[in-house]
Amino acid sequence: EPEVTQTPSHQVTQMGQEVILRCVPISNHLYFYWYRQILGQKVEFLVSFYNNEISEKSEIFDDQFSVERPDGSNFTLKIRSTKLEDSAMYFCASGTTNTGELFFGEGSRLTVL
Amino acid sequence: TQLLEQSPQFLSIQEGENLTVYCNSSSVFSSLQWYRQEPGEGPVLLVTVVTGGEVKKLKRLTFQFGDARKDSSLHITAAQPGDTGLYLCAGAGTNFGNEKLTFGTGTRLTIIP
Repeated sequence: EPEVTQTPSHQVTQMGQEVILRCVPISNHLYFYWYRQILGQKVEFLVSFYNNEISEKSEIFDDQFSVERPDGSNFTLKIRSTKLEDSAMYFCASGTTNTGELFFGEGSRLTVL
Repeated sequence: TQLLEQSPQFLSIQEGENLTVYCNSSSVFSSLQWYRQEPGEGPVLLVTVVTGGEVKKLKRLTFQFGDARKDSSLHITAAQPGDTGLYLCAGAGTNFGNEKLTFGTGTRLTIIP
């Protein structure tokens, strides 16, 4: 069964460092998303991406965040200068136009020290 | 801002009992999904409901979308220990197929053998 894969599964970084989280969405999907979940809190929307551009972003997704799909396969989330409050589980998701259903990866746990 | 409130937040019942989890909002959603999330993993899609009043069954799980498409319920019949987990509802907005999901607060279900 096709699945969304994410790497790394866990990353520990120092405050102020750049982090890139990688995702390989399901191959025939057209819509791509990043969500995050701070420990013990709700899953929160960060950004949606379609047709090689951002279609919507939340207030969380400030200038320190960026996304790209450099090779038509990988979908990356970059945090330029990490803050302590960026520590969270980051989930990539992909979907099609037909149902609005999203399929999530297993997540990348980011710990900022 | 769209909000989804789930109740109860925690539920612990004996194996074999029935239970209902609720997901309520003041906003109208074009579709509503139910996910199940295990610790340290991404949400896994269980079902999507689209039409007001729609009922879907997945083995012992019955999902219903409210007539006004603002709320939903998940009913589990004869709960099993394998049903233990975090159940999340998530609503999609009006831009069907390219819309962020708003996640509920979650119901953590524990089935006691």
